[in-house]
Amino acid sequence: DGGITQSPKYLFRKEGQNVTLSCEQNLNHDAMYWYRQDPGQGLRLIYYSQIVNDFQKGDIAEGYSVSREKKESFPLTVTSAQKNPTAFYLCASSMAGQPTTEAFFGQGTRLTVV
Amino acid sequence: AQKVTQAQTEISVVEKEDVTLDCVYETRDTTYYLFWYKQPPSGELVFLIRRNSFDEQNEISGRYSWNFQKSTSSFNFTITASQVVDSAVYFCALSETRRGQNFVFGPGTRLSVLP
Repeated sequence: DGGITQSPKYLFRKEGQNVTLSCEQNLNHDAMYWYRQDPGQGLRLIYYSQIVNDFQKGDIAEGYSVSREKKESFPLTVTSAQKNPTAFYLCASSMAGQPTTEAFFGQGTRLTVV
Repeated sequence: AQKVTQAQTEISVVEKEDVTLDCVYETRDTTYYLFWYKQPPSGELVFLIRRNSFDEQNEISGRYSWNFQKSTSSFNFTITASQVVDSAVYFCALSETRRGQNFVFGPGTRLSVLP
């Protein structure tokens, strides 16, 4: 079945450690996104990529890094520089170009710093 | 700057009541797209509808309907005869063409439908 897969669903990290969240899609979408969701808040854009080997910072990129070496994959690394990383992380993808199409979302990864 | 406002943080209704979720947006683009998503307790966002800025026709899909009014920059969502399964957080989102494929989300409205 086509879709977006995020793994793991739950992730625990010790302070000072980097951690990588996986996002894979088989929808043949060019554009991929990472959002952060805090309790009671909307989604905030961390990074996005519209084509392989290219990505752009979103509104809250500090303390995060990404890569886009393959069309299907857009992993997010939460670095030790991210001061408050505990949150729910959502990956999404959409077709590139116009008209703008809807984004499809994965099931999310809940990251907790312990 | 683009912005999406959902003034209703939480709404509670009793099953079979109608409920309207408000969405107001700000944009300087003439071409843009509006979306509604549903986030059930599982966490995944489920796409409900997309509307472009040139199409102000209202849309109905089963118990769901959407009212788009450019004059008031609003894109409201109504659920008719609500059901317990409608309980979720609903997000309104905006995408401007000049920002590529970015989506800006509102803060969401938590809807609780009580039996």
